[in-house]
Amino acid sequence: NAGVTQTPKFQVLKTGQSMTLQCAQDMNHEYMSWYRQDPGMGLRLIHYSVGAGITDQGEVPNGYNVSRSTTEDFPLRLLSAAPSQTSVYFCASTPYPGQGGHGYTFGSGTRLTVV
Amino acid sequence: GQQLNQSPQSMFIQEGEDVSMNCTSSSIFNTWLWYKQDPGEGPVLLIALYKAGELTSNGRLTAQFGITRKDSFLNISASIPSDVGIYFCAGQKPNYGQNFVFGPGTRLSVLP
Repeated sequence: NAGVTQTPKFQVLKTGQSMTLQCAQDMNHEYMSWYRQDPGMGLRLIHYSVGAGITDQGEVPNGYNVSRSTTEDFPLRLLSAAPSQTSVYFCASTPYPGQGGHGYTFGSGTRLTVV
Repeated sequence: GQQLNQSPQSMFIQEGEDVSMNCTSSSIFNTWLWYKQDPGEGPVLLIALYKAGELTSNGRLTAQFGITRKDSFLNISASIPSDVGIYFCAGQKPNYGQNFVFGPGTRLSVLP
C-alpha cells in the first residue's frame, strides 16, 4: 500500500551510540520532514526537505543530521545519542499545492529510548 | 516555544455526546489542519481549512477556520468509542513554506 514507511518501530540505544532512522515514501511527494513527539509538546519539526538534494533545519535540529539523495528516502541520523533524544519520531510527506493538497501523510513512528 | 494552544488538554465524555475543542495562537495562519492520532500510530488528517471563516465537515466532524485567522475549532457530533485518541491542530504560517506548527493535542476519552 502507498504511504510513508518508517523503520525500525522500536529502538533502544546507549548514550553516545549513533543510528539512522529510515523513512521512505512511494507517493512521489517532493516535501518530506521529520518530527519528534514528546508528552505535552505536540510535534516539533527537526529537519525538512523540499526535494532531492535540498534539506533545511526545523525547530529542534541539534543532534540530528539528514540527507535527501532520492525523492523517496529521507533518513534521520543521530550522531551521538543522548537521553534527551528519547522520543517518538515521525516522518511525514506531502505534495505541493496543485499536486493534491496540503495535508501531511505520516509514518507510524519510531519509538526511541536512549539509556 | 509553544506557538499553538489547544483546549481542553483532555476530556472524558459519554458515548453519544457532542465534543468541542479549539486551537488558538497569537500568530496568523494561512491554513489549519486537524489530525487524529490513535495509540501507536502516526497522526491521520481529518480536515483541512484554507481560508478565514471556512466551515468544513467530514462525516460527524466539523471544523472552522476562525475569522481572525488566529484560531480554529473542531466539533464531533454523537461521539462513539472509536473517537478515542489525541486530536492535534496544525497551522501553516505565512512565509513558512510547507512547514506546519502543531499544537500539544487534546486527548479524548469516550465512556460507554
